Amino acid sequence: SAVISQKPSRDICQRGTSLTIQCQVDSQVTMMFWYRQQPGQSLTLIATANQGSEATYESGFVIDKFPISRPNLTFSTLTVSNMSPEDSSIYLCSVEGGGGLFYGYTFGSGTRLTVV
Amino acid sequence: AQSVTQPDIHITVSEGASLELRCNYSYGATPYLFWYVQSPGQGLQLLLKYFSGDTLVQGIKGFEAEFKRSQSSFNLRKPSVHWSDAAEYFCAVTSGTYKYIFGTGTRLKVLA
Repeated sequence: SAVISQKPSRDICQRGTSLTIQCQVDSQVTMMFWYRQQPGQSLTLIATANQGSEATYESGFVIDKFPISRPNLTFSTLTVSNMSPEDSSIYLCSVEGGGGLFYGYTFGSGTRLTVV
Repeated sequence: AQSVTQPDIHITVSEGASLELRCNYSYGATPYLFWYVQSPGQGLQLLLKYFSGDTLVQGIKGFEAEFKRSQSSFNLRKPSVHWSDAAEYFCAVTSGTYKYIFGTGTRLKVLA
C-alpha cells in the first residue's frame, strides 16, 4: 500500500494566520482525501482532491477557509486560513489503500494544529 | 443516514487479558466495515475489513472482528492484549462510496 509523508507534524499558530499542510505519496493516486479530527471526536471528511480539477468539499467546509491544491498525482496541500482556536485539530490526508476505495484508506501521520 | 456508534470511550484491560471493542452501525443494506488503530502521534492504520462472505474476519496484529447482521454490530476482539496495543481504535462504515463514516473511537489502556 501507499506510504504517505505529511508535514508539518505539529504546529502552534497565532489566530488570524494561515497554515499549509503538505501531503506527499510515494505512488500515483487518483484521489486524495483530507480529514479533520477534532479533540475527542471522530474523523470528518473535509474534501476530496483530484488532480486537474477543483477539490470537492463536504457540507460545512468551504474553499475560502480550506483551499486545497493538487498539482500532480503524488502531492496535495491543505491550507487552513484565517485560523481561530476552533480550528485546533489533527488534520490527516489519506489515499485509497490499494485494491480500490472499498478496501480501506491509508493515512498520513497527521498534523496536530494548535491555534492560540 | 448512516451512523457508527462506539459505546465505550475508554477501556482498560490488563496485559494478557482478552479484549472486545464494540461497534454498532446503522445502515439499511450490507455495509463495508472497517477497524482502524491510531497510536499516539500516528495516523490511522487499517486493522481489518469486512465486505461479504465469512462473518469472522482476521486482521493484523492478532485482531479479529465478527459481523453480526441481526445485531448491526462489528465488534473487534483480541484473545490476549499486549502493552503495545494501547491506542485509539476507530470503527468505520461505508455504503460503497469513498465517504466513510467513522465512530468516535475507543481509547484502550493496557495495564502491566
